Parts: sequence; structure tokens; C-alpha cells
Amino acid sequence: SQTIHQWPATLVQPVGSPLSLECTVEGTSNPNLYWYRQAAGRGLQLLFYSVGIGQISSEVPQNLSASRPQDRQFILSSKKLLLSDSGFYLCACSLAGGPGELFFGEGSRLTVL
Amino acid sequence: KQEVTQIPAALSVPEGENLVLNCSFTDSAIYNLQWFRQDPGKGLTSLLLIQSSQREQTSGRLNASLDKSSGRSTLYIAASQPGDSATYLCAVRSYSGGGADGLTFGKGTHLIIQP
Repeated sequence: SQTIHQWPATLVQPVGSPLSLECTVEGTSNPNLYWYRQAAGRGLQLLFYSVGIGQISSEVPQNLSASRPQDRQFILSSKKLLLSDSGFYLCACSLAGGPGELFFGEGSRLTVL
Repeated sequence: KQEVTQIPAALSVPEGENLVLNCSFTDSAIYNLQWFRQDPGKGLTSLLLIQSSQREQTSGRLNASLDKSSGRSTLYIAASQPGDSATYLCAVRSYSGGGADGLTFGKGTHLIIQP
């Protein structure tokens, strides 16, 4: 079965600094990959969605970007963080051609000061 | 646009009780519905996935039902235990989901099982 690794688990960054959150998937090939943000009191917000290497769909216009340099690697980045970027970031995957079940990593808690 | 509502937002019950969590959605044209569990500060753990053609799914003490015509799903937890304490979320994948993933998440039910 697939396993999703995210790191770092916790990050505290100053406003204006860069960001890189990494996600890797084990146990499956050519997965669909997702980045979500979960803010307190709000539902999950889809940020980016990828069906393959170099294929990224951006859902929310903002100062975040995503890349998929390898089949099972998904990276969330920013050149300059804003206070509003604070939140809990979750990487997820679903199996290509599968029933659509979504699996999540353990999340990365980002605090921007 | 699909909307997903989970009621109640919070629930506290004594250990051993059977309980039902509710999830309602506005657009019945769905692909599937998935129930998750989230512990504090952790990611989401998939509990059950129900395809649109199915009526229910079972895993251990958990049973999830789906009634597309009424736009409702329930998660039944039998013989609740303190370890069941968590936030339970449902997510609906549909044509009107809005995002590229077609998914709409509810805001969850925060469940506390009292020892």
C-alpha cells in the first residue's frame, strides 16, 4: 500500500523568507498528487493538483507554487512568505485509474512570523 | 456548486455508546464519498470510501451508508471507545466539486468519547 512522507513536520519562518515543503510517495507509480491547506475553523482548500511529471494545476492564485520533478515527488514552494501563508499543509495522493480514494501524509505545520 | 455540511460540529458521548455522524451534500451527482478521521495535529486517515453505485461500506466497528437521492451519508460507530476521539470529515467527489480534484470537504465533527 502507498505511504506518503512529508517534511519538515514543523516550520517557523519569518515574513519574506522562502519556503520549500517536500512530499514523496512510496508503494505506487504515477499517482495523482495534491497539496491542500487546512486553516483553523475552515475546511480543506486544494492548492495544487498534478496528474504527472511537470503537470500542475493551480487552484488558488497566490504566492505559492508547486513542482513535480519526479513521478513520486511533489514540492510546494514560495519565494517570499506572507503572514497569511501560515497553516497546516497536507500532501495527498490517489491511485491513477483507481477508485478515487484519497490518502494523506502527516502534514507540515507552517508558522509565518 | 457542491456544498457539504456535517452536523453536529461537536459531539461528546460516554464510552460504549453507538453513535451516528451525519454528512449532507447538495448535489446528488457524485462519483464517491469518503470518510476520514483526523487526530489533532495529524494528517487525515481514510476510513471508508463509498462509490456512487454502493449503498454502504463496513470496516470493523464502522459502517458508512450513502443515500444519493436525499443527499446524505452517515457514519455509524458501534461500541465507541476513547480511542475513537478525533475529528471525522467527509468528502464528496462530484461533477460540481469546483476544483480540479472534484472534491468538497465538510468541516468535520469533533468527537469526544468519555471514559
